[in-house]
Parts: sequence; C-alpha cells; structure tokens
Amino acid sequence: EDKVVQSPLSLVVHEGDTVTLNCSYEVTNFRSLLWYKQEKKAPTFLFMLTSSGIEKKSGRLSSILDKKELFSILNITATQTGDSAIYLCAVLLNTDKLIFGTGTRLQVFP
Amino acid sequence: ETGVTQSPTHLIKTRGQQVTLRCSSQSGHNTVSWYQQALGQGPQFIFQYYREEENGRGNFPPRFSGLQFPNYSSELNVNALELDDSALYLCASSAGLGVKPQHFGDGTRLSIL
Repeated sequence: EDKVVQSPLSLVVHEGDTVTLNCSYEVTNFRSLLWYKQEKKAPTFLFMLTSSGIEKKSGRLSSILDKKELFSILNITATQTGDSAIYLCAVLLNTDKLIFGTGTRLQVFP
Repeated sequence: ETGVTQSPTHLIKTRGQQVTLRCSSQSGHNTVSWYQQALGQGPQFIFQYYREEENGRGNFPPRFSGLQFPNYSSELNVNALELDDSALYLCASSAGLGVKPQHFGDGTRLSIL
C-alpha cells in the first residue's frame, strides 16, 4: 500500500529558530513530491520536486528530494509566527493521484 | 486570476441524507480532484475528473460520486450520509494531467449529526 510518513508530528519553536521537517515515502509509480502549507483551510502550494538533489528555494523556505533513499526535507530558516501551520507532504503518482502524509504541526512562538 | 472556490463553506446534515458540494476550478484548469480531510489527518483522495471524465478513484464507496461540467466546475455527491463522513472536503484543480501542481479551495466543512 502506498504511504507517506511525516515527522515530527508536532514541533514547537521560538521565532528565529531553524526547523527541518521530514517526509519519507513508499509508493509505486512515483512521479513527484509536493509540499503544502495549511493554515486554516486551503492547503497552499509550496514546492514540487521531481528530481533528486536539486534544492528548491523560496525566501526562507527550501526543500530537497532524495529519490534513492525515498525522502524529502523542508527547511525553514529564521522562523516567524506567520510560519505557524500544518505542513503537508504529498506524493503524486503516475496515476495523478496525490497521497498525503498526516502533516507536521509547527507552532512558532515570539 | 480566480482561484478555486467551493460552496457551501459549512453544512450540517443528518445520517441517511444526501449532500452535493460544488467546486469552481481555477481559470485555465481542466482537472479537478476531490479529497476528504478528517480532523488531524492528511487529505484522502476521493476521485479526479479530467475533461468531464473520471480519471481515477480512491478507496471510497460508490455512494461517493461526482461530475465535471463543460466549464470544468465539479460536484461531489454523497448519498446515505454516515457519521464518519464528517470532514473537510477539499477540491483541487490543476492545468491538466502530468507534473502540474494542484491548487486547493478552502473546502466545505460537513458535519453529520
């Protein structure tokens, strides 16, 4: 059965800290891996990763994929209270089906 | 550019009833996927529509059905509602199949009493 596992489940940090969120997967027919941020309702798209070893960056956020070891990490540097959210990792299969992990809840305190 | 919009935002139903949820895809997007997100869980894939045809289905019973219209908007219908159907129902659209990110609407919060 296809599965995506995220860790940690929950993380509490202070503003300015750097955090690393983990995502491992076991799926058949991998196409790409996506990261989303979910604050209240709609998950908002952060990154799509298709190739191993190529870091994607957007401001203080960055992500990389390792297709040999079947995992990805999402890094957030100099965290701010606005980064508080649930971060979802999802794998897109060749069937165009998205398989989500349970998410990591990040809380950033001033 | 208009994003993905869903209606209604909240809905309360009782067991055994039927419900229809609606989704307007983002401009230029012809693919719509529906997800169920229970409290504390990641979204679970229900099914996907591409150019008005179903293009894949997750592990949901037949009482979950859908439609996609010529303007690429979509409906999710659930018959014989059960308590476990209480969840946030998310719609996502993308600009075709393949390696294209899906963009989500705010969802419909469905509560079954």
